[in-house]
Amino acid sequence: NAGVTQTPKFQVLKTGQSMTLQCAQDMNHNSMYWYRQDPGMGLRLIYYSASEGTTDKGEVPNGYNVSRLNKREFSLRLESAAPSQTSVYFCASRGALDNQPQHFGDGTRLSIL
Amino acid sequence: GESVGLHLPTLSVQEGDNSIINCAYSNSASDYFIWYKQESGKGPQFIIDIRSNMDKRQGQRVTVLLNKTVKHLSLQIAATQPGDSAVYFCAERIGGYQKVTFGTGTKLQVIP
Repeated sequence: NAGVTQTPKFQVLKTGQSMTLQCAQDMNHNSMYWYRQDPGMGLRLIYYSASEGTTDKGEVPNGYNVSRLNKREFSLRLESAAPSQTSVYFCASRGALDNQPQHFGDGTRLSIL
Repeated sequence: GESVGLHLPTLSVQEGDNSIINCAYSNSASDYFIWYKQESGKGPQFIIDIRSNMDKRQGQRVTVLLNKTVKHLSLQIAATQPGDSAVYFCAERIGGYQKVTFGTGTKLQVIP
């Protein structure tokens, strides 16, 4: 039982390049989330998907797009990477019941030069 | 805006002692609270949660206390071990909503 799996684990991009971060969960969870984590700022929500077929903006959506490919997979795309998007990106998923915690992957460390 | 925060950025405790990590929240509408542990290079790991209709919940070596009067949440770790060294986050959520607000974290250092 892998839980939430993110690929790749590390990536270096040049400014202007595009990149898709992959996330898959095997817990049959309805909801999936993308966060970024920057030093001293805690986790900030980029986008989320409450259920298959729906996506919504979070706190910091600018410069990102998402796709809920199916119930298992939720991808995050940077169309034109900027140095300000250097961060650690975490994917999370959550079950359908109201008071359930999110379960996180181990992150993608992304550096943009 | 309203946010979740932590009182101490770093906490050092002796191995075997009890640890207490504090969290203040300001959104009175929040009714579900979660503590996460994050080890270096890893994602946040769920530790324990509590609903607002409770004031205490216990797990294995961990206890969460909720004081709604002063909007305060704490995580107590009994007999702290070196493996407990990590950053601990509290988080709050308003019932029925997808969004969770995370604090910035407290680093727990266990001294052998």
